[in-house]
Amino acid sequence: QSVLTQPPSASGTPGQRVIISCSGRSSNIGSNVVHWYQQLPGSAPKLLIYSNNQRPSGVPDRFSGSKSGTSASLAISGLQSEDEADYYCAAWDDSLNGRVFGGGTKLTVL
Amino acid sequence: EVHLLESGGGLVQPGGSLRLSCAASGFTFSNYAMSWVRQAPGKGLEWVSSISDSGYSTSYADSVKGRFTISRDNSKNTLYLQMNSLRAEDTAVYYCARAVGGRDGLDYWGQGTLVTVSS
Repeated sequence: QSVLTQPPSASGTPGQRVIISCSGRSSNIGSNVVHWYQQLPGSAPKLLIYSNNQRPSGVPDRFSGSKSGTSASLAISGLQSEDEADYYCAAWDDSLNGRVFGGGTKLTVL
Repeated sequence: EVHLLESGGGLVQPGGSLRLSCAASGFTFSNYAMSWVRQAPGKGLEWVSSISDSGYSTSYADSVKGRFTISRDNSKNTLYLQMNSLRAEDTAVYYCARAVGGRDGLDYWGQGTLVTVSS
């Protein structure tokens, strides 16, 4: 069981906006920044959002992140077929003294 | 261009040992913290261990503490993971990844190396 909680699946049609949630506690999301990773089928993970809402160079602005209290969310607008992937949230946990990941959300583009 | 290349994976019997390496290029290796993250077949990502840029500070997941040792050789631009007392549940693809700081996002990842623990 993962320390951070994500829905196992999400779906949307092309052009739609999808939101993926990530729930934690005071020792992780509540006191540290959240990062999001995208893992395309058969590939290594890729940093999608860092420090709650920052996009690395090259990541489209269709992807955005936010954090409030002990929860965070990833929003994908203008959904495209190539967005079909697994998405993971992550943060540092002060109690565990280590990084923690969510269980991942499989996004399906219908 | 940043490049991380893992090696050393393979098939090992329960109780055995294995050392993974991650060769880094395209950036100043000694300026970055590094981490190992693993992914069991069909499962999600699990953080394994991290090491500071100097190598003086390390941290481990409870699941590997006392069995795995992370280290680095900044003169060789290489990260290591020594894995002892391996168990079936350690079977996974092991990725190395870099971060500016210990709590920062992992901005570059290798392609991973598969470790299979089985008799």
